Amino acid sequence: GAVVSQHPSWVICKSGTSVKIECRSLDFQATTMFWYRQFPKQSLMLMATSNEGSKATYEQGVEKDKFLINHASLTLSTLTVTSAHPEDSSFYICSASRAKEQYFGPGTRLTVT
Amino acid sequence: AQSVTQPDIHITVSEGASLELRCNYSYGATPYLFWYVQSPGQGLQLLLKYFSGDTLVQGIKGFEAEFKRSQSSFNLRKPSVHWSDAAEYFCAVGMNRDDKIIFGKGTRLHILP
Repeated sequence: GAVVSQHPSWVICKSGTSVKIECRSLDFQATTMFWYRQFPKQSLMLMATSNEGSKATYEQGVEKDKFLINHASLTLSTLTVTSAHPEDSSFYICSASRAKEQYFGPGTRLTVT
Repeated sequence: AQSVTQPDIHITVSEGASLELRCNYSYGATPYLFWYVQSPGQGLQLLLKYFSGDTLVQGIKGFEAEFKRSQSSFNLRKPSVHWSDAAEYFCAVGMNRDDKIIFGKGTRLHILP
């Protein structure tokens, strides 16, 4: 149990376009989900906390207008990278929280050309 | 402020040798502690966790970790490593007040044949 999926697993987009990444908890309901960003050979950086039915809480330094997060249901959170630029290329990982433990998705590799 | 320190960026051991990865944390209350493993381009897999109780925790793949409150440490050990253990290992501390997790910078494990 406690499986989290992400879609897509890999996406290439042109500079200036927007891309949406989905995070789903497949077999449990999660009132809280998290979005992380990971640069090559670095640790995970928490971007924002996503709470179902309310606005996301962004970490300091994360542009909320660039990284739009929507947590519309107890099993789905989405991250939209708006007007993407090459510097947004990264590995994005989501997690869903249950009983003080986070269950991680497999990640989405975003490449902006 | 809460923090996690993994003092070793890289560790190289021979296959069959024992392994210890170090982790120190700074947190005012009783922490929730985790060890995760990440293979290249993959998401995170939970190896083990400590919430309370027995300070020696057994995990998957033959790993164990010991919580030492006096040393603020949660070191990961394995008696005999396999080539497939080569990966990035992250120690993390969870907050009591919310479900956030803070990650260490990671230790990359290399295995010599």
